[in-house]
Amino acid sequence: DIQMTQSPSSLSASVGDRVTITCRASQGIRNDLAWYQQKPGKAPKGLIFAASGLRSGVPSRFSGSGSGTEFTLTITSLQPEDSASYYCLQYNSCPRTFGQGTKVEIK
Amino acid sequence: EVQVVESGGGLVKPGGSLRLSCVASGFSFSNAWMTWVRQAPGKGLEWVGHIESKAYGEATDYAAPVKGRFTISRDDSKNTVFLQMNSLKTEDTAMYYCFTVTGDYWGRGTLVTVSS
Repeated sequence: DIQMTQSPSSLSASVGDRVTITCRASQGIRNDLAWYQQKPGKAPKGLIFAASGLRSGVPSRFSGSGSGTEFTLTITSLQPEDSASYYCLQYNSCPRTFGQGTKVEIK
Repeated sequence: EVQVVESGGGLVKPGGSLRLSCVASGFSFSNAWMTWVRQAPGKGLEWVGHIESKAYGEATDYAAPVKGRFTISRDDSKNTVFLQMNSLKTEDTAMYYCFTVTGDYWGRGTLVTVSS
C-alpha cells in the first residue's frame, strides 16, 4: 500500500502569509494526487486535481505542484476563510490513501 | 444541480450490520466510480473503498480495516451506491461520505455509531 506522509500536522499563520503543505508518497504516484479542504462539520471540498489542476470555483491563491513522490499545496495569500483542515489523497493505486491532514489556523 | 445524499446511518451494537445508501443526481452516475470515505470523531479522512463503473466491470476495492466485512454495490437504474457493513466494531464509528474523485461531488454524510 502507498503511504502518504503529510506535513505539518498543524500551522498557524497570519492573513496575507504564504502557506505551504507537503505530501510525500512512499512510492511514485505520477501526478495522481488531489487536495481537499474541510471545515468543521462540513464535507470536504476539492481544491486541486491531478496534482496541479485547480478545480472550478477555487480561488487562484490555491495552487498545487509536484509529481512522483513529493507534492505541495500552496496558499499564496492566506485569507480568514482558509482556516480549515487540508488533506491530500493519492488515487494512483488501490487502496487509495489520504494524508493525515493539516490544520491551518489564522493568527 | 448535482445532489448526493447519504442515508442509513444510526446506532448499532458491536457485531451488528448496517446498510448505507447514497443517491446521486445531476451527473452521469453510470460512468462514475463511486467512493466511500469515513471520518471518526476528531480524526482525519479514511478511504473505505470504491466501486468502478459498469464499463470497468463494477470492480471494487477496500481498505484493509474493512476488507471482508464491508461490501460496496451499485444500482445504476436508481443512481444509488450501497455500503453493506457487517461485523461492525466500535472503531467503525464515523461519519460516512460518498463522493466521486473526478467530479468532486460529495454528500453531507451519514453518521454510524457502533456502541453497546
